[in-house]
Amino acid sequence: AQSVAQPEDQVKVAEGNPLTVKCTYSVSGNPYLFWYVQYPNRGLQFLLKYITGDNLVKGSYGFEAEFNKSQTSFHLKKPSALVSDSALYFCAVRDPHSGAGSYQLTFGKGTKLSVIP
Amino acid sequence: DTAVSQTPKYLVTQMGNDKSIKCEQNLGHDTMYWYKQDSKKFLKIMFSYNNKELIINETVPNRFSPKSPDKAHLNLHINSLELGDSAVYFCASSQGLPQSYNEQFFGPGTRLTVL
Repeated sequence: AQSVAQPEDQVKVAEGNPLTVKCTYSVSGNPYLFWYVQYPNRGLQFLLKYITGDNLVKGSYGFEAEFNKSQTSFHLKKPSALVSDSALYFCAVRDPHSGAGSYQLTFGKGTKLSVIP
Repeated sequence: DTAVSQTPKYLVTQMGNDKSIKCEQNLGHDTMYWYKQDSKKFLKIMFSYNNKELIINETVPNRFSPKSPDKAHLNLHINSLELGDSAVYFCASSQGLPQSYNEQFFGPGTRLTVL
């Protein structure tokens, strides 16, 4: 079974500082990994994904994520945080080789990012 | 242009009532989904349809019945509403099959409150 963990309920960072939102996953094969962002009272928006290839993936709004197979992690990063980055961030995983389970995208519980002016 | 739209945005109703939520996508996607987000923001898949065919049917009470009249629409009907059904329901869509690597596009959500 596939699963994903976001170990931090909340991350606080000062504006202009680098930010990291952590995600670890568990799958039987090679995963598809995604990051989504949810602003208050809005639906989720896609940020970036890892399918295969380069471990460093670049996405929307200056975000990037690094796939680390040995640590089974896919941490979201941004070099310089903006107040407008404050939102709820979700990591998600799909194991394309898990049979019927591959149809599902499993989400983490979310990490609330607060960027302090 | 709204890619994935849901109606209504807010729904307040009494226990025992029956209600429907509608979803439409104009992205030409083949697969549509319903998710439930609870008060702790936990997001869980409920159903998925690919070209009007049910693909994913998670452990959801049979009071919940999805219907896909065509691949651009996926509606959710809920019978005999209970307090525990209060949540935000999100519709989403994606290109291709559910097991592909294509990202999902989410609607704005429907906040259901059962009194």
